[in-house]
Amino acid sequence: GAVVSQHPSWVICKSGTSVKIECRSLDFQATTMFWYRQFPKQSLMLMATSNEGSKATYEQGVEKDKFLINHASLTLSTLTVTSAHPEDSSFYICSARDGTDTSPLHFGNGTRLTVT
Amino acid sequence: GQNIDQPTEMTATEGAIVQINCTYQTSGFNGLFWYQQHAGEAPTFLSYNVLDGLEEKGRFSSFLSRSKGYSYLLLKELQMKDSASYLCAVLDSNYQLIWGAGTKLIIKP
Repeated sequence: GAVVSQHPSWVICKSGTSVKIECRSLDFQATTMFWYRQFPKQSLMLMATSNEGSKATYEQGVEKDKFLINHASLTLSTLTVTSAHPEDSSFYICSARDGTDTSPLHFGNGTRLTVT
Repeated sequence: GQNIDQPTEMTATEGAIVQINCTYQTSGFNGLFWYQQHAGEAPTFLSYNVLDGLEEKGRFSSFLSRSKGYSYLLLKELQMKDSASYLCAVLDSNYQLIWGAGTKLIIKP
C-alpha cells in the first residue's frame, strides 16, 4: 500500500515554456503533499507543502509565482514550473504520508526536468 | 540552527558489515528516519526510530540514542545492490522533516 505516482518521469522543454508535473496518491488520501527538488549529488530540498483545498506553503527562497502548486483533490497535487530556465533543470520529487505526522513519507518516482 | 551530520561517502566490501552514522541537533525530536536512494531514483523508506535502542529489520538495523543526538544504520551481508545513498532525516518539534545530506555507500566486490 501507500503508493505515490508521479508523472512524467522525465521532460525536456525549451527555455520560457511551462511544465506541469502531477503527483497522485493511488491507494490513500493525502490532504498534504510535499514537493522536493534535488540537484545532482545534493540532498533533498523541500520546496513547498501542498494543502488540499487551500494555498500551498512555500519554503524561504522559493518563488510561488514561478512554482505554481494546485492541490484540488485528496489524491492529486500538481506543480507547474512556469517560464522555465536552464537553472530550473533538476530532479523534482513529490511525497505524501499515509497516516499521522510520524508516518514515513512515500515518494513518487520523481521527474527529471531538463530545460534547454 | 538545525543540523544533521552524516559522512559524505563510505566504501565497503561485498559480504561485509557497514555502519553509517548520523548526528543531529534539532528543535525538538519526534523521530528519526532512514531512507535509501539509488542514483536517479526517489528515496525509499528503511526505518523509523523514536525510542532509544536498536530496531532490526532483516539485514538492516537502526539504532537511536536521543540523549546523544545520535543514530546509526547498520547494514549486514552487504550486496552490490546496496550501493546507494542513505539519508538520515529527523522530525522536529513542528513535525517538519530535517534532512541530512546523505551518505553515498560504495560496495566493492
